[in-house]
Amino acid sequence: QVQLVQSGAEVKKPGSSVKVSCKASGGTFSSYAISWVRQAPGQGLEWMGGIIPIFGTANYAQKFQGRVTITTDESTSTAYMELSSLRSEDTAVYYCARDKRELLKLGAFDIWGQGTMVTVSS
Amino acid sequence: SYVLTQPPSVSVAPGQTARITCGGNNIGSKSVHWYQQKPGQAPVLVVYDDSDRPSGIPERFSGSNSGNTATLTISRVEAGDEADYYCQVWDSSSDHQVFGTGTKVTVL
Repeated sequence: QVQLVQSGAEVKKPGSSVKVSCKASGGTFSSYAISWVRQAPGQGLEWMGGIIPIFGTANYAQKFQGRVTITTDESTSTAYMELSSLRSEDTAVYYCARDKRELLKLGAFDIWGQGTMVTVSS
Repeated sequence: SYVLTQPPSVSVAPGQTARITCGGNNIGSKSVHWYQQKPGQAPVLVVYDDSDRPSGIPERFSGSNSGNTATLTISRVEAGDEADYYCQVWDSSSDHQVFGTGTKVTVL
């Protein structure tokens, strides 16, 4: 069965950037939408953006437009999320999640990565 | 942007039924998905497309959706059901995924 394995925890300075990876194993990668969802400490889930690798075009939540970039590398079945101009409020666990259905972005994320803690602190 | 509103908390005794609501404008016209999240863990999909269950999810979890309210129902609640629950929809007008505010279920 498909698994999503994310890169490890990061500590970053305010104003810098972070790039988190999400590697899929055990199944098809290119035709399923991957979304990035973050969760600040004690807070709820927040969708940041998503992409269907075979189509290559990402879309982003308005809140993160201009600061987030989601890309994929089909040769390694890996998705990436880069967030720039980091501030303390970006301290959160970042998850990648796969849509249940091929070639659609209808939600229903049935597979999640384990999460990557990103801490922004001076 | 589309907003989904959930009650912050629901308390239920073991063996009873918990109902968690998710309110949104004409949400009945959308497909609603529900996630369970336990502390320190990634969310788990428990209901999708309003009322379907992924394999491995107990029949005790069910969903409905009509008008401006979707509901996740947990029957015969067990201590292990204590968790945060989130509803989610895809908003076609913005092509964005939207999560509800989350509900903490406490088993008394």
